Amino acid sequence: EDQVTQSPEALRLQEGESSSLNCSYTVSGLRGLFWYRQDPGKGPEFLFTLYSAGEEKEKERLKATLTKKESFLHITAPKPEDSATYLCAVQGWVGATNKLIFGTGTLLAVQP
Amino acid sequence: DTEVTQTPKHLVMGMTNKKSLKCEQHMGHRAMYWYKQKAKKPPELMFVYSYEKLSINESVPSRFSPECPNSSLLNLHLHALQPEDSALYLCASSQDGIAKNIQYFGAGTRLSVL
Repeated sequence: EDQVTQSPEALRLQEGESSSLNCSYTVSGLRGLFWYRQDPGKGPEFLFTLYSAGEEKEKERLKATLTKKESFLHITAPKPEDSATYLCAVQGWVGATNKLIFGTGTLLAVQP
Repeated sequence: DTEVTQTPKHLVMGMTNKKSLKCEQHMGHRAMYWYKQKAKKPPELMFVYSYEKLSINESVPSRFSPECPNSSLLNLHLHALQPEDSALYLCASSQDGIAKNIQYFGAGTRLSVL
């Protein structure tokens, strides 16, 4: 069964303190791994998609990496506005549906 | 432009009411989705439409009735809901290709059932 586990559940950082969020996954053939950011009461905002091990994507202070078993979202010198819940999701090839399997998210709080 | 528009933003309804949620996208996407999200939980898939046909129903109770009138619109008709149905309802859309299937979400409708 396809499964996604995110850690930690919550993370509190000081402004400028870099860290990483983890997303471990098991899937029957990875079609894509997705990172979303979600602010309270809002819909998830797409950040990155990764398709194969070794791939990396960057956007401002965020960098996503992918191995065969996990993905990391690295946050460099975070600012308070980076505070949000970060969701990881995978899409597999089995069944060839577009279904996303989400992890439970990491709640990030960046204090000034 | 990756905008998915949902209306209304907030909805309060009684258990005997009938209401509808609306979702619209103009990105030319041919797959559209309804998700339900409870507080501090990830989104849960409810329905998937592909080329205006229902392709996935995740065993959702019949008091939720989806409709896809055309490729840009998606509705969710609500009837005789229960208080436990209170949640954030999210719509998403994507290209329906095999590769690079990125789902873009709307801001959601916050539903409260009294």
